[in-house]
Amino acid sequence: AQSVSQHNHHVILSEAASLELGCNYSYGGTVNLFWYVQYPGQHLQLLLKYFSGDPLVKGIKGFEAEFIKSKFSFNLRKPSVQWSDTAEYFCAVNGGSGGYNKLIFGAGTRLAVHP
Amino acid sequence: EAQVTQNPRYLITVTGKKLTVTCSQNMNHEYMSWYRQDPGLGLRQIYYSMNVEVTDKGDVPEGYKVSRKEKRNFPLILESPSPNQTSLYFCASSPRGGAGDTQYFGPGTRLTVL
Repeated sequence: AQSVSQHNHHVILSEAASLELGCNYSYGGTVNLFWYVQYPGQHLQLLLKYFSGDPLVKGIKGFEAEFIKSKFSFNLRKPSVQWSDTAEYFCAVNGGSGGYNKLIFGAGTRLAVHP
Repeated sequence: EAQVTQNPRYLITVTGKKLTVTCSQNMNHEYMSWYRQDPGLGLRQIYYSMNVEVTDKGDVPEGYKVSRKEKRNFPLILESPSPNQTSLYFCASSPRGGAGDTQYFGPGTRLTVL
């Protein structure tokens, strides 16, 4: 079955530090990849997604992610984090062996940014 | 305002007492889905619906039922809740489901089963 692994469960950074959150998915053909964010007390919302085309995807609030097919990875990056980036981040995939009707999430990464 | 709403937002109940969590969207989306979120496990899909009267199991459907009689509503039914169904539940919708579609999430329902 399709699965998603997020390597870091908890990340603590100081403001202005660079961020990279790892995400790998299991092999299974053509996939679409997503990063969702859940700010404290708020709904999950889409940060960015890869559907096709340029593997470097830019999202909201200065986030970007790079799809590396050979590594089955879709890591999330931000050059300089802010306190307001404190949230839980989820990588998700559809397609592959899971089919396009199901969205498979990773376990999530809790990011705490200290001023 | 385009949104997905869920009710109730918080619910404490006892084992075996049937309950329904409602979900409604006002975006005319065809696809709707239910997830549960547990610490360390992320979100896991319970059921999804591609359109009215079309539903299918996700990865953790045991102990849950759904129905899709109207396009805007997708209630989640727990016929006989058990403590292992204590969780945070999210409803989501998207225009069509399928490749590349962005899902829009509701605010969540925190359920405790004693």
